[in-house]
Amino acid sequence: NAGVTQTPKFRILKIGQSMTLQCTQDMNHNYMYWYRQDPGMGLKLIYYSVGAGITDKGEVPNGYNVSRSTTEDFPLRLELAAPSQTSVYFCASSAGTGLNTEAFFGQGTRLTVV
Amino acid sequence: RKEVEQDPGPFNVPEGATVAFNCTYSNSASQSFFWYRQDCRKEPKLLMSVYSSGNEDGRFTAQLNRASQYISLLIRDSKLSDSATYLCVVNETPGGFKTIFGAGTRLFVKA
Repeated sequence: NAGVTQTPKFRILKIGQSMTLQCTQDMNHNYMYWYRQDPGMGLKLIYYSVGAGITDKGEVPNGYNVSRSTTEDFPLRLELAAPSQTSVYFCASSAGTGLNTEAFFGQGTRLTVV
Repeated sequence: RKEVEQDPGPFNVPEGATVAFNCTYSNSASQSFFWYRQDCRKEPKLLMSVYSSGNEDGRFTAQLNRASQYISLLIRDSKLSDSATYLCVVNETPGGFKTIFGAGTRLFVKA
């Protein structure tokens, strides 16, 4: 069972470069999310999607863009990378947001911007 | 005030100890509550949902006090394998979406 798959696992970017973090899930979940986690901090929501073609900003969307053309895929685009974007990025998906709804996370992408 | 606030930790306890984690949330209209576990350099995984009446899963007991906007997690008979960071998670909206993660409390269980 693949669950939520993120690629790449690690990446070093130079300031000003761009990249796309890939996320795909095989559970047919409508809800997908991108979080970032800085050292010693909780997860902060970057963007989320409640279904194909629908995306919305989370708490920290600046410097990022997303798209959701299919139920399975939810890529995160970083334009003009900055050192402040050095973080661990987690993609997650869930069937809903209710009490018995578990969010499943990918293994994370460790991004360093130098 | 932070939206979801947890004990700063870390907690260092011997095997067999009972340990309690506390969490408070600021939005009284919050809808659902969870505890997630995150191992070092790994992704978070659901430990348990928190029901209004409290719930238990083996050695783990979760409690919710809506009046005080407080959530707790009790671990009894701690094992070495319980060493991890425990994240308090709050969903603020039922139909829409706003999930807030606490910063987590790190637990070290020592032999």
